[in-house]
Amino acid sequence: GESVGLHLPTLSVQEGDNSIINCAYSNSASDYFIWYKQESGKGPQFIIDIRSNMDKRQGQRVTVLLNKTVKHLSLQIAATQPGDSAVYFCAVPEVNAGGTSYGKLTFGQGTILTVHP
Amino acid sequence: ETGVTQTPRHLVMGMTNKKSLKCEQHLGHNAMYWYKQSAKKPLELMFVYSLEERVENNSVPSRFSPECPNSSHLFLHLHTLQPEDSALYLCASSLRTGSNQPQHFGDGTRLSIL
Repeated sequence: GESVGLHLPTLSVQEGDNSIINCAYSNSASDYFIWYKQESGKGPQFIIDIRSNMDKRQGQRVTVLLNKTVKHLSLQIAATQPGDSAVYFCAVPEVNAGGTSYGKLTFGQGTILTVHP
Repeated sequence: ETGVTQTPRHLVMGMTNKKSLKCEQHLGHNAMYWYKQSAKKPLELMFVYSLEERVENNSVPSRFSPECPNSSHLFLHLHTLQPEDSALYLCASSLRTGSNQPQHFGDGTRLSIL
């Protein structure tokens, strides 16, 4: 099965700095990756996704980088704001031997991002 | 507003009670999911429904019973729960169950078992 790990359980940054959150995955057949943000008292909120035919994808103040060679992806947040403080998860759909998925996402433990004003 | 609404937001129940959690999605999706989120553990998938048919039961105890009457509604019926079942129960939906589909989550029901 898929295992998803995060390099750091916590990340503390100053407002205005750039933040980088990392994630490693184990299944080289994985072809889709998602980042979620979970604020206190809320459910995970979809931030950005990337397919395996891409190395980089940009959203509003966020960029996801995918390195399939080392099975690593990262989420970069530009000009981090206090409102970005949350737990960030990467998630990877499980893919069976036939290459199909029934929607089971494997989540990492999460990285707690704290932004200091 | 995520388009996925869960009720109630908080629930406290005794081990002998029967209660139900409700989820409704307004996104026109065909797949719905129940997850359990416990402290210091990754989200655990419990059930997957695609077009009202259960396609995955992830080794969940029978004291949890899902129901999907239509593609917009999902229930989780609870009976004779244990203290270790206290957790945040999250509902999610996606356009379909295949890969390359983001799941959109509700804000969950915080369940406490006395």
